[in-house]
Amino acid sequence: AQSVTQPDIHITVSEGASLELRCNYSYGATPYLFWYVQSPGQGLQLLLKYFSGDTLVQGIKGFEAEFKRSQSSFNLRKPSVHWSDAAEYFCAVGGRGSQGNLIFGKGTKLSVKP
Amino acid sequence: GAVVSQHPSRVICKSGTSVKIECRSLDFQATTMFWYRQFPKQSLMLMATSNEGSKATYEQGVEKDKFLINHASLTLSTLTVTSAHPEDSSFYICSAGGGAGQPQHFGDGTRLSIL
Repeated sequence: AQSVTQPDIHITVSEGASLELRCNYSYGATPYLFWYVQSPGQGLQLLLKYFSGDTLVQGIKGFEAEFKRSQSSFNLRKPSVHWSDAAEYFCAVGGRGSQGNLIFGKGTKLSVKP
Repeated sequence: GAVVSQHPSRVICKSGTSVKIECRSLDFQATTMFWYRQFPKQSLMLMATSNEGSKATYEQGVEKDKFLINHASLTLSTLTVTSAHPEDSSFYICSAGGGAGQPQHFGDGTRLSIL
């Protein structure tokens, strides 16, 4: 079955510290992979995506993610967290068919300590 | 970048009312739009795929007569929650995608509260 697992429900880091949010997926083939961020009461904003090619992808706001096929993972990283990064982060996978609908993980809430 | 506009952002209404939510792609044509529902502190659950000019495709467990979807043009899809009840209260989010594998662009969501 297709699924996305974000093992960490809630993570708290200090401002300036590094961050890694975990994402594992189960999919029949190589999927498209996405990370989205959601601020309270808002829609989702795309941080980055992986389609093919270089397995380390750069996104907006200083985020990056690495696709590791052997581990079925697509972890999100940021070297230095800012207070404005506090939000909910969703990992998602999409198929390579024509529909493009996404399967989302349950999200990881990031809190940032001053 | 691509922008998706969702309206209204918040609705509070009485039980039994029907509520229409609009989703517009502002700077691109979207043959496919998606409607999601998000419960508090939960992930997004796909409700249905809206296809321009044809019937929507509903996910298992979603009542098509309860959640009416119309995608009459390449820039507009609407979701109507018919005879809404308190259990329909939720955060509804639409998205529009450019096709296979292309990132979806999300609206800001609609907070629906049924009293």
